[in-house]
Amino acid sequence: SAVISQKPSRDICQRGTSLTIQCQVDSQVTMMFWYRQQPGQSLTLIATANQGSEATYESGFVIDKFPISRPNLTFSTLTVSNMSPEDSSIYLCSVDKRVTYNEQFFGPGTRLTVL
Amino acid sequence: AQSVTQPDIHITVSEGASLELRCNYSYGATPYLFWYVQSPGQGLQLLLKYFSGDTLVQGIKGFEAEFKRSQSSFNLRKPSVHWSDAAEYFCAVSAGGGTYKYIFGTGTRLKVLA
Repeated sequence: SAVISQKPSRDICQRGTSLTIQCQVDSQVTMMFWYRQQPGQSLTLIATANQGSEATYESGFVIDKFPISRPNLTFSTLTVSNMSPEDSSIYLCSVDKRVTYNEQFFGPGTRLTVL
Repeated sequence: AQSVTQPDIHITVSEGASLELRCNYSYGATPYLFWYVQSPGQGLQLLLKYFSGDTLVQGIKGFEAEFKRSQSSFNLRKPSVHWSDAAEYFCAVSAGGGTYKYIFGTGTRLKVLA
């Protein structure tokens, strides 16, 4: 498995500002993922972050709004830019450890509220 | 395209009763299937997974799930529910074979009555 931490665990932000969420893993992983979970909803994949390459974004998500960094094999950041109340969600990072086949392990999430 | 359906948004059971949470998937080949649990304010914890082989898989916390290809289902079961099982449960599917993306169902919120 993998131990994943996220910072901050929660935040309340004003519209128009940006927030950077950090994800730290206790071991080296190739693939890291960022998900959004809107209130009462399921998880939606935002992007895949591989070390040494640009993040790959899913349909409906763009780099200008959700820039991602992946400077090494244990760390990634997701920035939520120019926030609006619609960005209020839980943001989760996950990693693919490939213990047997592709298995993802999730961080505790960052609960974001935009006023 | 792959999809996952969890028909039950909310389920309420009494403590000690049995539980079955439904999950149906749409995928052309045999998918990789997962059940995750999310307790309030927590991240997702993997309960169990199916890749191949025995269609009845055992997981943590006394949960099991059965893969039924003919019904495109992967239902989660527990013979006796504990109050601490109250949480949101998500079924997920992956195409596997190097395709890493997960598709999640909409989740089932379980309430346990004392």
